[in-house]
Amino acid sequence: DIQMTQSPSSLSASVGDRVTITCRASQSISGYLNWYQWKPGKAPKLLIYAASSLQSGVPSRFSGSGSGTDFTLTISSLQPEDFATYYCQQSYSAPRTFGPGTKVEIK
Amino acid sequence: QVQLVQSGAEVKKPGASVKVSCKASGYTFTSYYMHWVRQAPGQGLEWMGMINPSGGTTTYAQKFQGRFTMTRDTSTTTVYMELSSLRSEDTALYYCARDFNLPPECYFDYWGQGTLVTVSS
Repeated sequence: DIQMTQSPSSLSASVGDRVTITCRASQSISGYLNWYQWKPGKAPKLLIYAASSLQSGVPSRFSGSGSGTDFTLTISSLQPEDFATYYCQQSYSAPRTFGPGTKVEIK
Repeated sequence: QVQLVQSGAEVKKPGASVKVSCKASGYTFTSYYMHWVRQAPGQGLEWMGMINPSGGTTTYAQKFQGRFTMTRDTSTTTVYMELSSLRSEDTALYYCARDFNLPPECYFDYWGQGTLVTVSS
């Protein structure tokens, strides 16, 4: 199974900050990497697919990059509605493993 | 529009089984795999398995092999997941999720609203 790790596990940031979250796969997954946002009481929401493609309707302040084993999610200017937990997920092979999540909290 | 509507919350005793449904609408049911993902309290997202609604073939996470079953009913466009021998650690929010799979674009584009399963004596 492909293991996914994320760093940091949590971070505190202010509105307007630039935030970067890193995801690493235990083996190469090419560009088969997705990012989801999760808020309590809601279903996860797809933000980025295929490492760098922005899902329709997602604000352009979200961006993704990377390939192989190392990936990054960047929020260019954090907004109040962005405080949430972010998960990466590999879609290279089953099981479609998720990272452990990064909780973005208000500073 | 695409919708995945799950069945309601369940409370079960340890050792029992639970069956949760996910009714799909707004698209061709047999054209997209369906997955189940769970989230235990304070924990992350955990992939459980997937089903091909066309042929009914399934793939499960090793962790759940033997006590997890996914089925589908094409006449009602509904996918089911059944988890047996429940223990307290199975208390979680269970989601179904549709798989958009056109490599290299493979992702869960629509999710059900979640079903809370509580295992308690």
